[in-house]
Amino acid sequence: DTAVSQTPKYLVTQMGNDKSIKCEQNLGHDTMYWYKQDSKKFLKIMFSYNNKELIINETVPNRFSPKSPDKAHLNLHINSLELGDSAVYFCASSQDVSRRNEQFFGPGTRLTVL
Amino acid sequence: GEDVEQSLFLSVREGDSSVINCTYTDSSSTYLYWYKQEPGAGLQLLTYIFSNMDMKQDQRLTVLLNKKDKHLSLRIADTQTGDSAIYFCAADNQGGKLIFGQGTELSVKP
Repeated sequence: DTAVSQTPKYLVTQMGNDKSIKCEQNLGHDTMYWYKQDSKKFLKIMFSYNNKELIINETVPNRFSPKSPDKAHLNLHINSLELGDSAVYFCASSQDVSRRNEQFFGPGTRLTVL
Repeated sequence: GEDVEQSLFLSVREGDSSVINCTYTDSSSTYLYWYKQEPGAGLQLLTYIFSNMDMKQDQRLTVLLNKKDKHLSLRIADTQTGDSAIYFCAADNQGGKLIFGQGTELSVKP
């Protein structure tokens, strides 16, 4: 009965490859997010979707493309991976985009680009 | 834009109180949050405080908010080794975005 799940947990790949990370939430939430946590633990939002519509798009290279097939899923596809993409990527969800924005996080996907 | 800052490290002895501090810049932040991240895990919401409150207590956790100084603190009473983790302060802003601090790594020594 995991609330927010991500696959895979670990992803090791070569520079230049294309990879996807999947996220699913079973909380019935309307809003989902992708965050990147770097090696210094700094956590920064990348994207947010509300009811399958993109509402937050931070300054992220266009090699990163989120896709939300339905409001329970938000996948992240990364083209032409670079060394600097190595990080832990967290998916999160919240009820909606109200000001009381209690977000529930997935366990993270540790991406290592060689 | 909003900036949220925390000190990076805190070390305490088991049984002592821990106080983790946070400052933020956007006075329009309505809710302020504390999240906990254990090694290899995602972030877990510990508690939050609404901006018109000064204090909120939840078992061993006490959140203090000084809105004038834009200062938030999390006090953990009777700190245990299981409290060792990284604690993130976060503030909301327009459009449902949470801005996180850098995280404070709490180390609890037996």
